[in-house]
Amino acid sequence: EVQLVESGGRLVKPEESLRLSCAASGFAFSTAWMSWVRQAPGKGLEWLGLIRGKADGGTTHYAAFVKGRFTISSDDSDNTMYLQMNSLKTEDTAVYYCTWNYAGAFDSWGRGTLVTVSS
Amino acid sequence: QSALTQPPSASGSPGQSVSISCTGTSSDIGGNNYVSWYQQHPGKAPKLMIYEVTKRPSGVPDRFSGSKSGNTASLTVSGLQAEDEADYYCSSYAGSNIYVFGTGTKVTVV
Repeated sequence: EVQLVESGGRLVKPEESLRLSCAASGFAFSTAWMSWVRQAPGKGLEWLGLIRGKADGGTTHYAAFVKGRFTISSDDSDNTMYLQMNSLKTEDTAVYYCTWNYAGAFDSWGRGTLVTVSS
Repeated sequence: QSALTQPPSASGSPGQSVSISCTGTSSDIGGNNYVSWYQQHPGKAPKLMIYEVTKRPSGVPDRFSGSKSGNTASLTVSGLQAEDEADYYCSSYAGSNIYVFGTGTKVTVV
């Protein structure tokens, strides 16, 4: 069974940095493609970016609006994906989900972790 | 890349059918068959309902079906049930390892 567990969300001040983690199990993590998706309170889903499996080069790709503030990485030694977020803004307040990509879709989702950016 | 356009709301009575549209461009929906649909109940994570335009993951009832014509994809829920009341989002591959979601549709069972 695929399991994704996000962690690291908390209250931070504007311009601070934060790293989220996604612990994965139940599938071949080293070859998987995975994404981060967020949802602001009362708003829709927003794709942030993905990391390709190592077999496909392990490259990362981002939504245009991320503009270099966010970085996705992964560690095959403990099956964990990360989202490094810098220069956080109040509009980054959202629940952040990690997903396992399969067949061009977001096949499995974690429960999400809440990031609140406020002074 | 801009969000795909969905109607804000849709409704139907139990047993009826409801269809939700998802309009994009030739760069996303019209350019590939990686269109998917997600159901989200309040306070829960989204759940994959349809992938590759028409395919259903194991466990998803066959009351849910997907289709696509040109730059517009659609999700149809037949035999509407109370538990189908939720938010629904479409998504499409937009080329160059980029994805985009729809604006979301709230389905109400009246």
